[in-house]
Amino acid sequence: DTAVSQTPKYLVTQMGNDKSIKCEQNLGHDTMYWYKQDSKKFLKIMFSYNNKELIINETVPNRFSPKSPDKAHLNLHINSLELGDSAVYFCASSPQGRATQYFGPGTRLLVL
Amino acid sequence: KQEVTQIPAALSVPEGENLVLNCSFTDSAIYNLQWFRQDPGKGLTSLLLIQSSQREQTSGRLNASLDKSSGRSTLYIAASQPGDSATYLCAVRDTGNQFYFGTGTSLTVIP
Repeated sequence: DTAVSQTPKYLVTQMGNDKSIKCEQNLGHDTMYWYKQDSKKFLKIMFSYNNKELIINETVPNRFSPKSPDKAHLNLHINSLELGDSAVYFCASSPQGRATQYFGPGTRLLVL
Repeated sequence: KQEVTQIPAALSVPEGENLVLNCSFTDSAIYNLQWFRQDPGKGLTSLLLIQSSQREQTSGRLNASLDKSSGRSTLYIAASQPGDSATYLCAVRDTGNQFYFGTGTSLTVIP
């Protein structure tokens, strides 16, 4: 009964490729997020999204795009991968109006 | 199971005051602790991260301390400004990658 799941767990790919990371939550939450954890373990917001609004952190390159086929999914698509994209990416969700966020297990991306 | 609580739940101060937000957690076996701020309708913005082996971190007017043995962390904000008004959350990450968020402190800085 996993609450927030991400696939794949590990992703190794060549520079220049396009890849997607999937996120699914079965909690019925309205808002989903993508975070990037840098080499210093710092967690930084990339996107927050509910069925009404997408909020993008202005520092995120436009090579990154969230795609939400339905309320329970928020996938992260990355074009033209660069070495600096190597990181752990976390998906999270929260109920409307609540601050508590439930995190997925993370996807470790390595760009070679 | 890890439980994280924050005191006070709400705080209102005049501009220029120094203030302290408190965070306590029940299980000292943590990987790190992170302080976030949340503005209405927005995702979380990371402020400071303290590894389990560290005692404090500083960034500008913010200073966060960690006392793992007593299960406490504080966020000190110096010379508060109206732009500091937001909800402040602390989150504990355990060794299994799970994040446990506190209940939040809603801060209002009055001009």
